[in-house]
Amino acid sequence: DAGVIQSPRHEVTEMGQEVTLRCKPISGHNSLFWYRQTMMRGLELLIYFNNNVPIDDSGMPEDRFSAKMPNASFSTLKIQPSEPRDSAVYFCASSLRREAFFGQGTRLTVV
Amino acid sequence: AQKVTQAQTEISVVEKEDVTLDCVYETRDTTYYLFWYKQPPSGELVFLIRRNSFDEQNEISGRYSWNFQKSTSSFNFTITASQVVDSAVYFCALKGPGNQFYFGTGTSLTVIP
Repeated sequence: DAGVIQSPRHEVTEMGQEVTLRCKPISGHNSLFWYRQTMMRGLELLIYFNNNVPIDDSGMPEDRFSAKMPNASFSTLKIQPSEPRDSAVYFCASSLRREAFFGQGTRLTVV
Repeated sequence: AQKVTQAQTEISVVEKEDVTLDCVYETRDTTYYLFWYKQPPSGELVFLIRRNSFDEQNEISGRYSWNFQKSTSSFNFTITASQVVDSAVYFCALKGPGNQFYFGTGTSLTVIP
């Protein structure tokens, strides 16, 4: 299996622009997680899905953030409008009951 | 409440020294999993090991070993004869019956050649 695949790996955008991060989980996994990692706040859970249904989005910082999982093999995290404080590494992870496997992350820079 | 504490923020050791990374967890669940992940300077998060709450057997994998003690709610990770390639941030994590993972704040290990 190719593992969890995230795209793009790097994204530089201007403040106010819309940003969409993409994730393809490991085939057969039924849980998908979006995390954000910064030096100041460490690894934060933003949202997770079970069987494509959002279960806990309490970590989504504000309404500018939204996540979807239209099917078992694809998820997006959208930020609109983006702000400099959104700059971070965003990880997607998938799981089947036990350990989670992480993608390589998307490094987002908002200037 | 679920919580994972990694009290050691940063550790530096000289190559070939042994080093132990501490992890203390809190949970009211009787069934849970514990994990260790490694984040090397390249940035990816790599799964190292899983332990379930009913299996307190220690595990050894090459230079790595893990000591799980329910009596002290600890799941410590020891690297024997450390190498420069072990330099990374190491995260301990807990997962209960639900699907949510609870990560510690990580321990940054630097192995000095």
